[in-house]
Order: sequence, then C-alpha cells, then structure tokens
Amino acid sequence: DTGVSQDPRHKITKRGQNVTFRCDPISEHNRLYWYRQTLGQGPEFLTYFQNEAQLEKSRLLSDRFSAERPKGSFSTLEIQRTEQGDSAMYLCASSDLQGGETQYFGPGTRLLVL
Amino acid sequence: AQSVAQPEDQVNVAEGNPLTVKCTYSVSGNPYLFWYVQYPNRGLQFLLKYITGDNLVKGSYGFEAEFNKSQTSFHLKKPSALVSDSALYFCAVRDMGGGFKTIFGAGTRLFVKA
Repeated sequence: DTGVSQDPRHKITKRGQNVTFRCDPISEHNRLYWYRQTLGQGPEFLTYFQNEAQLEKSRLLSDRFSAERPKGSFSTLEIQRTEQGDSAMYLCASSDLQGGETQYFGPGTRLLVL
Repeated sequence: AQSVAQPEDQVNVAEGNPLTVKCTYSVSGNPYLFWYVQYPNRGLQFLLKYITGDNLVKGSYGFEAEFNKSQTSFHLKKPSALVSDSALYFCAVRDMGGGFKTIFGAGTRLFVKA
C-alpha cells in the first residue's frame, strides 16, 4: 500500500503528558499537511510543509503544538502538556504539484486525553 | 478570510433518486474547490475538484459538481443515488492567492434509503 500512513492509530494519555504522532506521506509527495478533526466538524488546518520547510501554521495552534519534517519525508506532530480539549482525530495529508492540489489523507490518529 | 458553508447537516434520499449536497464558499481571490467523502472508520477520500476550466466537474463513483462563481457555490450531485453512497461528505476550499490553508465545511451526512 503506497498511501499515507499514520502511527499510532489510537493514543490514550493522561492530561499533562506529551504525545508524538508520525505521518508517512506518499513517497513522491513534497507537500504535507496536518489537520485536527473533532466530532461533528470538518478537518481543521494546523500546519503545512513543503519539503522540510514549514510554510504555514494556523494561528489556532498553541505553543504546545510543534511539527517537524526534518528530511522532507515523514513528519511528526508533538503535543506537549496535553489537555482534555486536545482530544480529537489528527489527520495527515500529502500532495504534489502534479496532482493539482489534491490532498490524500491518512487514516488518522485518534487521541483521547483523560 | 476564506470560509465554507454546508447548510444541511443531513440529506435523505431514496435509492435511485438524484441527490444534491450543497456547498457555498467565500474567498478573496479565485478558489480551488474540493469534495471529500468519509466512510465510518475510514479516512477522507477525494471525490473531485475544481481548479480551472469547465464549470462542471466529474469525479469518482459517478459524482459531479458544478462551480457557480456568481453564486459562490459548488454543489455535489449524482443522478441516481446508491445505498452505498451513504457517508459523510465534506466540501473544502483553498484561496489560490492566499497560501496553503484549506478550509473544510462541517460536513453533510447523506442517508440513502433502499
């Protein structure tokens, strides 16, 4: 399967703990996006990478959130000092210019903060 | 600022009947427009997009959408609904001249009755 993969698929943590999620995009895609989706809502944009450069970050993203894409391939999203309000599905998507802006989504990581 | 509205939380249609899922948008410049579908416990799947050109766009699974610039709408349509079309549908927009942020609507749940 050459689609977008995310790990882990599920994460339960206690409030105040740090968590890290990984996204592996489609191999030839140089663009990578992170979104957050809560129940009953559409995906909410968090951040965008082109290769290893983080070019856009939502103003809604607090300082507790950080994302990296060190070699322009996989990406990690870290949440520090988790809060119950961070409970959501975290989605990763990738695209390339040849694909005409179409983003392909991974299955997501569901986070539950107790 | 860009925004997307899906005015119907739910659409019910009988199998074999035509279906329409509505979407309106707001962007400063010219839009990229997308429809995605989400099945239970699965990631978002791309259906179709409008970038430029013909206002009527055809996509996967027999779906189509019409870009209407004057009404700022991008309604999703299918001539004959299937029970298997029952899912959650998201409209999304990106401003061509406004960075890489893609805004998703809140989603419309489609129920197709046999």
